[in-house]
Amino acid sequence: AQSVTQLDSQVPVFEEAPVELRCNYSSSVSVYLFWYVQYPNQGLQLLLKYLSGSTLVKGINGFEAEFNKSQTSFHLRKPSVHISDTAEYFCAVTEGFGNEKLTFGTGTRLTIIP
Amino acid sequence: GAVVSQHPSWVICKSGTSVKIECRSLDFQATTMFWYRQFPKQSLMLMATSNEGSKATYEQGVEKDKFLINHASLTLSTLTVTSAHPEDSSFYICSAPLFAGANVLTFGAGSRLTVL
Repeated sequence: AQSVTQLDSQVPVFEEAPVELRCNYSSSVSVYLFWYVQYPNQGLQLLLKYLSGSTLVKGINGFEAEFNKSQTSFHLRKPSVHISDTAEYFCAVTEGFGNEKLTFGTGTRLTIIP
Repeated sequence: GAVVSQHPSWVICKSGTSVKIECRSLDFQATTMFWYRQFPKQSLMLMATSNEGSKATYEQGVEKDKFLINHASLTLSTLTVTSAHPEDSSFYICSAPLFAGANVLTFGAGSRLTVL
């Protein structure tokens, strides 16, 4: 069975500083990986996804993530954060092509300090 | 783009009453929809998979008689929390794939249920 680990429950970062949110997964088969962002009292918005191809994936709002199969990681990065990036970030995984069931990590709360 | 609409966005009810939450796919048809539950400051837990024209598939530990799911059309799935109690208070989120087998889901904005 697949699982996702987000080691950092909270990450405070100063505005305009870089940030990395960590995500590790475990699976015995090929996986598809996702990062979602959740603003307060809202649903989830897809930031980016890795399905195949280039291991460096670029998403919305200046975020990017790199799929590292050997380290089973999919860390999310942004070179310069903004106040509006304050939100909860979830890493998620699904196994196999056509499998729509997502398994989510426990989330990382990113707080931007002015 | 594909949009999933949830209604109501928030609801407050008395203990013992039933509450229905609707999830609609706009501009696309969804033979499958997923219902998640999110406790405060926690992750999303998959409750069940809603299947158009057939019974929902519930995850282990989810009471199917407590959380009734109906997927009557290709654009509508409903979650009814029956005889709600304070411990059912939570944020309920639905999602749907743009097409069958799509790995990418579109999420609704969520419905916050508060049971007094």
